Amino acid sequence: DVQLLESGGGLVQPGGSLRLSCAASGFMFSSYAMSWVRQAPGKGLEWVGFINGRGSTTYYADSLKGHFTISRDNSKNMLYLQMDSLRGEDAAVYFCAKYRGGFAGAGSFDVWGQGTLVTVSS
Amino acid sequence: AIQMTQSPSSLSASVGDRVTITCRASQGIRKDLAWYQEKPGKAPKLLIYYASNLQSGVPSRFSGSGSDTDFTLTITSLQPEDFATYYCLQDNSYPFTFGPGTKVDMK
Repeated sequence: DVQLLESGGGLVQPGGSLRLSCAASGFMFSSYAMSWVRQAPGKGLEWVGFINGRGSTTYYADSLKGHFTISRDNSKNMLYLQMDSLRGEDAAVYFCAKYRGGFAGAGSFDVWGQGTLVTVSS
Repeated sequence: AIQMTQSPSSLSASVGDRVTITCRASQGIRKDLAWYQEKPGKAPKLLIYYASNLQSGVPSRFSGSGSDTDFTLTITSLQPEDFATYYCLQDNSYPFTFGPGTKVDMK
């Protein structure tokens, strides 16, 4: 079965850092781009960023550039989201999602994890 | 960034109703538009990709149409499990952007 499993969420103080992980299984991980998507409580879905299959190219939501960093380790089938200088508005459920191809225009995200909750509070 | 709008923001419907949700992009995105269903506590579910392609395993009562800037999601006969929030997403260019969502609830 194709599966994504996020971990690493929890409570962090404002200004703190957190690294989320996403373990992939059941598909050729390095062949697919991946993204993180978040959903704040009571709000809509927000695309966070994107990394290509080789991990050589990343794109981010304009508001998150320099604030979040996406990386991957294809030898371990792992995707990561490093979040720094966290603010209250970063509190959300964070999902990792598998893209259907390598770059934009490949047909969106067909597999999603269940999400991990990040709470930002002092 | 490309802005996505959806209408209506919410609607009330009954089982068996035909439901139509529209999504508009601020600039042309060819057919690089997907529709997702979201239920509380669950991961979003891909329904439609490339504007009109039905994702494997999704019931045929769901369909999508449109291109360039105007898109539509149609549910031909609403079922109890279809009460949810629906989002469009453009993946034509970075940053990808979601619409604000349309909540479908029971009349």
